[in-house]
Amino acid sequence: GENVEQHPSTLSVQEGDSAVIKCTYSDSASNYFPWYKQELGKGPQLIIDIRSNVGEKKDQRIAVTLNKTAKHFSLHITETQPEDSAVYFCAASHPAGGTSYGKLTFGQGTILTVHP
Amino acid sequence: GAGVSQSPSNKVTEKGKDVELRCDPISGHTALYWYRQSLGQGLEFLIYFQGNSAPDKSGLPSDRFSAERTGGSVSTLTIQRTQQEDSAVYLCASSLLGTGGEKLFFGSGTQLSVL
Repeated sequence: GENVEQHPSTLSVQEGDSAVIKCTYSDSASNYFPWYKQELGKGPQLIIDIRSNVGEKKDQRIAVTLNKTAKHFSLHITETQPEDSAVYFCAASHPAGGTSYGKLTFGQGTILTVHP
Repeated sequence: GAGVSQSPSNKVTEKGKDVELRCDPISGHTALYWYRQSLGQGLEFLIYFQGNSAPDKSGLPSDRFSAERTGGSVSTLTIQRTQQEDSAVYLCASSLLGTGGEKLFFGSGTQLSVL
């Protein structure tokens, strides 16, 4: 089955700096890669996603890049703010035989702390 | 409601007891998922329901776990003869199926503690 590795497990940055979180996946058939943000006491929330036919996607201060050859993808947050502090999860899926993109394999998570 | 609702938010039970966890998905969402989040295992897929199709149960860890979805809406996850290793946060998510990706809307979860 799919295996997703995520690094680093913790990341501490100063407000205004950039933050980068990296993930690798094992199954070359995976073609959908979402990133979720989880705040304390809440469920994960989708912040950005990318499909395998796209190399990069941006949404304001957040961007995701995908390297299919190397089977890795990264989350980039620019101009970080204290409210970006949370746990971030990468994930991968490949629907087959009628299964859903929502059947995700998650990375272990990154605790991001943004210091004012 | 505006989001996915789960109840109870916290459940403490004794080893060997059965528990039921409830999920109310967003109205109109056709797909419903259960995930488990624990310190050692991260977020794990458990089961997936889509319309009237047979559920995908491939993530259920043992036959003590079961789930049903009634009327295409509310879902109940049942754990029989609970064990300490079942302690975790159980998350429910719903979505509108589409092509090219699928945004999951998660509830806040049920924190299960097995003593």
